[in-house]
Amino acid sequence: NAGVTQTPKFQVLKTGQSMTLQCAQDMNHNSMYWYRQDPGMGLRLIYYSASEGTTDKGEVPNGYNVSRLNKREFSLRLESAAPSQTSVYFCASSESRTEQYFGPGTRLTVT
Amino acid sequence: SQQGEEDPQALSIQEGENATMNCSYKTSINNLQWYRQNSGRGLVHLILIRSNEREKHSGRLRVTLDTSKKSSSLLITASRAADTASYFCATEAGNNRKLIWGLGTSLAVNP
Repeated sequence: NAGVTQTPKFQVLKTGQSMTLQCAQDMNHNSMYWYRQDPGMGLRLIYYSASEGTTDKGEVPNGYNVSRLNKREFSLRLESAAPSQTSVYFCASSESRTEQYFGPGTRLTVT
Repeated sequence: SQQGEEDPQALSIQEGENATMNCSYKTSINNLQWYRQNSGRGLVHLILIRSNEREKHSGRLRVTLDTSKKSSSLLITASRAADTASYFCATEAGNNRKLIWGLGTSLAVNP
């Protein structure tokens, strides 16, 4: 039982490059989330998926797209990376009205 | 936008002392949650208190909720060096499954 896993752990991109962050959970949770965490800014929600087949924008969706591939997997894509997207990205999952379980994070640097 | 505001932003205490962190929020909530984040790691859920509850305990943790003041406090008793971390409150409101996060309190417990 691995909980929430994220790949990769670290990534360096050049401005304009694209990449996909992968997230998977094995707890059979309906809801999944992508956050970014920047110093002094706390956690900000990028996108979330309340259930398989649905996705919704969070607080800071610009520059990102998501895919809820199945109940287990929720990926985050940066189509054209910008330095402002340098951050630590966390994936999380939960059932309704309960705690969220977080992955270990992906540290992304865009130069 | 952030709903929760933690206070203080940073706290430094000696091992064995108690640590108290406060969280204020702006709207009616379904529940309020506290999380811990060790440096460089994902967040870990500590405790969830529902809007109809006033106090909850888990081990050395005590959480109170005052919905009339829209505030919560987290008390860690008999602190240990291993409690050194950032602590975040998050609130869930309405019918969506999003959490709104505060900016966190950085706790340092000195041996």
